[in-house]
Amino acid sequence: GIQVEQSPPDLILQEGANSTLRCNFSDSVNNLQWFHQNPWGQLINLFYIPSGTKQNGRLSATTVATERYSLLYISSSQTTDSGVYFCAVQRTGTALIFGKGTTLSVSS
Amino acid sequence: EPEVTQTPSHQVTQMGQEVILRCVPISNHLYFYWYRQILGQKVEFLVSFYNNEISEKSEIFDDQFSVERPDGSNFTLKIRSTKLEDSAMYFCASSEESMTGYTFGSGTRLTVV
Repeated sequence: GIQVEQSPPDLILQEGANSTLRCNFSDSVNNLQWFHQNPWGQLINLFYIPSGTKQNGRLSATTVATERYSLLYISSSQTTDSGVYFCAVQRTGTALIFGKGTTLSVSS
Repeated sequence: EPEVTQTPSHQVTQMGQEVILRCVPISNHLYFYWYRQILGQKVEFLVSFYNNEISEKSEIFDDQFSVERPDGSNFTLKIRSTKLEDSAMYFCASSEESMTGYTFGSGTRLTVV
């Protein structure tokens, strides 16, 4: 099946810093989503982005489908950004498959 | 914004007991899913459901598990005889079409003792 690799596995930032999270996948996909899992365990959908670039406030994401990667940018990080960020991908006829996530810790 | 609702939020059960986890997907969504996440690990796919039947299931989804859409709004996951290793957060999700974005519920934390 398709492999999803996320990097880095862990990231520690000071409040206000910027960061880039990466997701590589091993085959072509028709669906790619970024999720934030908050400290209460909830999975919050950040972006549905099988290709192209999207922005939502301090967060933006870019997927280059032909090169099989996606990037999530967090600018001016805040303590509330802490948690685990998951990339999940899907091919036609299969389920959405998650990577292992990047654990982000933002300190004040 | 429409939500996927899961109940209960937390359930503790004795090993060997049956549990039913409940979900109310978004009303105009046609595809339904169950995932689980063992503490500290990644989110794993269990089963997808469309048109009143299972469309895909993972190796985890063995004979102990079953899903049902008993009426027009609920979607349930049943674990027949729980084991200690079934302790996990169980997420329900739904999507409008098979390749559109999934919306996840807040999860049910199942603890088997």
